[in-house]
Amino acid sequence: DAGVTQSPTHLIKTRGQQVTLRCSPKSGHDTVSWYQQALGQGPQFIFQYYEEEERQRGNFPDRFSGHQFPNYSSELNVNALWLGDSALYLCASSSYTGELFFGEGSRLTVL
Amino acid sequence: AQKITQTQPGMFVQEKEAVTLDCTYDTSDQSYGLFWYKQPSSGEMIFLIYQGSYDEQNATEGRYSLNFQKARKSANLVISASQLGDSAMYFCAMRSPNAGGTSYGKLTFGQGTILTVHP
Repeated sequence: DAGVTQSPTHLIKTRGQQVTLRCSPKSGHDTVSWYQQALGQGPQFIFQYYEEEERQRGNFPDRFSGHQFPNYSSELNVNALWLGDSALYLCASSSYTGELFFGEGSRLTVL
Repeated sequence: AQKITQTQPGMFVQEKEAVTLDCTYDTSDQSYGLFWYKQPSSGEMIFLIYQGSYDEQNATEGRYSLNFQKARKSANLVISASQLGDSAMYFCAMRSPNAGGTSYGKLTFGQGTILTVHP
């Protein structure tokens, strides 16, 4: 049984561009959360999706948006990229059994 | 608002010795959960141990134990018999209550502590 899978693992963008990151949750998990982890820092909560709706949001601007599909997979979109968006983006999936699993992350570099 | 504070940017320990990583927290919630995660250089967050706010006994998982002092709002991680493979970044985190029908609350993380185990 695959765990949480994220793609791409690494990518490089330039300022002003847009990026889409993808996450497939662990089988049986219905809630997907996204976190941003800058170098040398702890992860920060971006938002959480359940039943295809954004349920909670952290302190991130509207440039950060997301989507959850009927199969529970999720996308994170970031528009108008700037240098400060360079980070490891972690996806975590969870279920009512109390499990929470993280993917290995997508490392974004903005030049 | 919830806050996690890890005051040790880096810690060093000799192989086979025990080490304590500090974590203090602040919350107005009556019910909460405290976690420790290990993050090696690969980036994956590896769950180590969990303590619920109403748990009266300190949690233990193999070589990991959590020293939970609710009145002091501290949740220190103790790693016994350190191994070279324990070298990594360690994060303390707190889980908020579920919201919006979700199955899991959001996590608030501390800044982390880099642990280096010397042979």
